[in-house]
Amino acid sequence: AQSVTQLDSHVSVSEGTPVLLRCNYSSSYSPSLFWYVQHPNKGLQLLLKYTSAATLVKGINGFEAEFKKSETSFHLTKPSAHMSDAAEYFCVVRQSGSARQLTFGSGTQLTVLP
Amino acid sequence: DGGITQSPKYLFRKEGQNVTLSCEQNLNHDAMYWYRQDPGQGLRLIYYSQIVNDFQKGDIAEGYSVSREKKESFPLTVTSAQKNPTAFYLCASSPHRDTGELFFGEGSRLTVL
Repeated sequence: AQSVTQLDSHVSVSEGTPVLLRCNYSSSYSPSLFWYVQHPNKGLQLLLKYTSAATLVKGINGFEAEFKKSETSFHLTKPSAHMSDAAEYFCVVRQSGSARQLTFGSGTQLTVLP
Repeated sequence: DGGITQSPKYLFRKEGQNVTLSCEQNLNHDAMYWYRQDPGQGLRLIYYSQIVNDFQKGDIAEGYSVSREKKESFPLTVTSAQKNPTAFYLCASSPHRDTGELFFGEGSRLTVL
């Protein structure tokens, strides 16, 4: 069985300060991990993915995430927040197999204050 | 532009009525999916299809039905048997089944009056 826990349902940062969105996972096998972003009333867009290559993964819009097997974590970071980063972020885990095996976290709402 | 088109964006329904949500993709993707999103929850899989004329139930298929007669199209019908249909519905596709990289439409928001 697999699961994913997003440790914060809401995060607020000031524009220009770092962003940290936390995600822990559990999986019986070596997982693939993803971060998706969703702006209000829109679909989800893939930010980045980890699929057993480099543990530090760079994504779009300056985001990156580090896969830490010992801590079963895949936290999302960005050095400097921009107003346009305000959105909901989903951590997703997939065991080997089809996308039928995707498990979504409950989401973290990021607010960026001016 | 390639992408996924969902319609309508907003839909209101009276209790006891069936409604059909449209999903069309021009990405030439084999696999298509329907998810339901409720506030404060992650996405839950309703149905998925890996190939034309074939589809499988997801985690919450009760009260929903789908068809996949064409590669480009994967409509979802919310039937009167669905007890709590008010939600945001998202359609997605992927190039093949063995991937976590999904491409999403902009969603359809269904409200039952």
